[in-house]
Amino acid sequence: AQKITQTQPGMFVQEKEAVTLDCTYDTSDPSYGLFWYKQPSSGEMIFLIYQGSYDQQNATEGRYSLNFQKARKSANLVISASQLGDSAMYFCAMRPEDYGQNFVFGPGTRLSVLP
Amino acid sequence: DTGVSQNPRHKITKRGQNVTFRCDPISEHNRLYWYRQTLGQGPEFLTYFQNEAQLEKSRLLSDRFSAERPKGSFSTLEIQRTEQGDSAMYLCASSPDGSNYGYTFGSGTRLTVV
Repeated sequence: AQKITQTQPGMFVQEKEAVTLDCTYDTSDPSYGLFWYKQPSSGEMIFLIYQGSYDQQNATEGRYSLNFQKARKSANLVISASQLGDSAMYFCAMRPEDYGQNFVFGPGTRLSVLP
Repeated sequence: DTGVSQNPRHKITKRGQNVTFRCDPISEHNRLYWYRQTLGQGPEFLTYFQNEAQLEKSRLLSDRFSAERPKGSFSTLEIQRTEQGDSAMYLCASSPDGSNYGYTFGSGTRLTVV
C-alpha cells in the first residue's frame, strides 16, 4: 500500500521569499510518479509538477522545483519568490506507474504568504 | 474547451434523499475519475472510467454510490439515501490515454447533508 505524509499542517512565508513544503512517501512499487497539486479556496486542484521515480534530475516548472531524494523517500516542493497568489492548500500525491490509475494524496499543507 | 466542468457547485440535501452530480471532462480525454475530499483531508479515489467502462472502484464506493459514463463522455455520480457522513467535496478529473502527468480536475461539487 502507498502512503503520503505531509507533516506541516500550515506554513507561513514572507512574500518574495522561498519556502519548502515537505512530503515523504512509502511504497513497495518499483516505479511510481510523484506529483504536487495546489488547491486554492475556489476548490479546483491545479497540477504543479511531476517527478518520475527513475528520473535522474529534479523536476522544475517555473518557480516550482521538486527536491527528490529517493533513498530518503522524500519529494519536497520548493516555491521560489513566493507571491500572494501562492496562498493555498498544497497536496503531495503518488501514483504507481505500472498499474492502476488512481492517486494517493497526502493530507495537505496550508501555505499562507504574508505581504 | 474550458476544462473539466462539474455541476452543481454546491448541493444541500436532507438525510435520506438521493443526489446526482454531473461531470463533463475535457472532450479528448478518455479517462475520467471521481474523488471525494472531506474537510482537512486530501482527495480519496472513488472510481475510474476508461471511455464508458468502469475499470476500478474503491471500497469507499458503497452500494449507495453508483457512477456511470454511458457514452464515454460525461459522467454522473449518484448517492442514494444520503447520510451525514457523505458530506464532502466530490471532485472529477480527466486525463488522456498514456498520460504520466497530472490529471485536470474540475472545481468540485460540495455536498452538505443536513
